[in-house]
Amino acid sequence: AQKVTQAQTEISVVEKEDVTLDCVYETRDTTYYLFWYKQPPSGELVFLIRRNSFDEQNEISGRYSWNFQKSTSSFNFTITASQVVDSAVYFCALTLPQGGSEELVFGKGMKLTVNP
Amino acid sequence: GAGVSQTPSNKVTEKGKYVELRCDPISGHTALYWYRQSLGQGPEFLIYFQGTGAADDSGLPNDRFFAVRPEGSVSTLKIQRTERGDSAVYLCASSFGMNTEAFFGQGTRLTVV
Repeated sequence: AQKVTQAQTEISVVEKEDVTLDCVYETRDTTYYLFWYKQPPSGELVFLIRRNSFDEQNEISGRYSWNFQKSTSSFNFTITASQVVDSAVYFCALTLPQGGSEELVFGKGMKLTVNP
Repeated sequence: GAGVSQTPSNKVTEKGKYVELRCDPISGHTALYWYRQSLGQGPEFLIYFQGTGAADDSGLPNDRFFAVRPEGSVSTLKIQRTERGDSAVYLCASSFGMNTEAFFGQGTRLTVV
């Protein structure tokens, strides 16, 4: 069975601080996809990134960066110079391409509050 | 609009009643998903459609829950004999399938009183 663990439930930072959101996943499959989604107070899940298991290159997109390490089964997300608009709940998720199911397995989420 | 649309945004119903939740996916998306999110939790998978057929309904909690997508576009999630434990936000998403990016709607908040 697949599992995603986000050990931190809530983090509060001051604007301009850097913050890292941890994600650890479990799967016996060698081929899988990892995702991060942002859920602002409006409730809609917003896609941030998708990464397949064969691509361990770290990625940077503006103030966001992702560190994928298969050796530790982690896919951590860092926000540099956080802003108040980054306040949201962030979810890490996993899916497997085989077997006919497209189920996303989500972690419990991490609530980030960025204070001015 | 261009996004996934869910109606109603809020639904309050009495225990034992029947409810229908509607999802309008993004045009051209063949895959459609329903998830349920309880307070403080991540979304939990309910069912996945590829076209008109339910490719995976393993997440439906029991036979009171049913979903259809008769023309491969709009989907309806149906809950019979609602219970207070069914109270949650029901999220719909759509995608081009094959593990591509899924776009989510804003959800329907169902409250069973």
